[in-house]
Amino acid sequence: QQQVKQSPQSLIVQKGGISIINCAYENTAFDYFPWYQQFPGKGPALLIAIRPDVSEKKEGRFTISFNKSAKQFSLHIMDSQPGDSATYFCAATSGGGGNKLTFGTGTQLKVEL
Amino acid sequence: GAVVSQHPSWVICKSGTSVKIECRSLDFQATTMFWYRQFPKQSLMLMATSNEGSKATYEQGVEKDKFLINHASLTLSTLTVTSAHPEDSSFYICSARDPKGNEKLFFGSGTQLSVL
Repeated sequence: QQQVKQSPQSLIVQKGGISIINCAYENTAFDYFPWYQQFPGKGPALLIAIRPDVSEKKEGRFTISFNKSAKQFSLHIMDSQPGDSATYFCAATSGGGGNKLTFGTGTQLKVEL
Repeated sequence: GAVVSQHPSWVICKSGTSVKIECRSLDFQATTMFWYRQFPKQSLMLMATSNEGSKATYEQGVEKDKFLINHASLTLSTLTVTSAHPEDSSFYICSARDPKGNEKLFFGSGTQLSVL
C-alpha cells in the first residue's frame, strides 16, 4: 500500500518535445505529491508538487496532472531541453505520516539535440 | 528555499572503520531530519527519522547500532556508519522539513561513501 509505481524507467525525448512521466499509488491517505529532479551525484531538488484537491498545477514548463479517482499523477515537461536531462522521482506522503516520503522508482530522462 | 548542507560530499574508507556524515540546516532550524540511502540507478530509501533531542526512529530492516544518528541541535544531524563494510558503500542523503510547516522537504547534496 505504501508503494508508488513510476514509469517509464527511462525516456529519450527530442529537444523541444514533451516529456511525460507517470506515477500511480494505492494508499488513499496520501495527500501531497511532489516531483523531484536529481542530477548525478547530487541530492534531489523539489520541482513541483500538488495536492489532491486540484487536477492540474503548472509552474513554468512543468505541469502536474492529477487523477484522484484513478490514483494516478503525471509530470509533463514542455519544450524539453538538454539541461532537463536528469532522473525524476515522483513521491507521495500523508500528513499523518510525519512527512515520510515514499518515492517512485525514478525515470532517467535524456533530452537529445 | 531553505538550504541543507551535507558534508562530506564523498568519502573513501577502509573496511572496519567508522564514518561520520553531517547534515546542517543553514538558514533555519530543523527539529526533524531524514536520512536516505540510494544505490546506483535506484530510488531513495528512507533509513531513519532524526528528531532533535530524542532518539531517532529507524525504518524496518535498518540496523540502529550500525547507523548511529545524533540530532543534538536544531541545525545539525549526523549519521555515523560504524564498522563500515563494502556493502555499506552507497549514496547517503539527508533532508529537512520546510520550517514554514508545510510538507516540503529540502535535500542535502548527498555523500558518496565507498568502503574498500
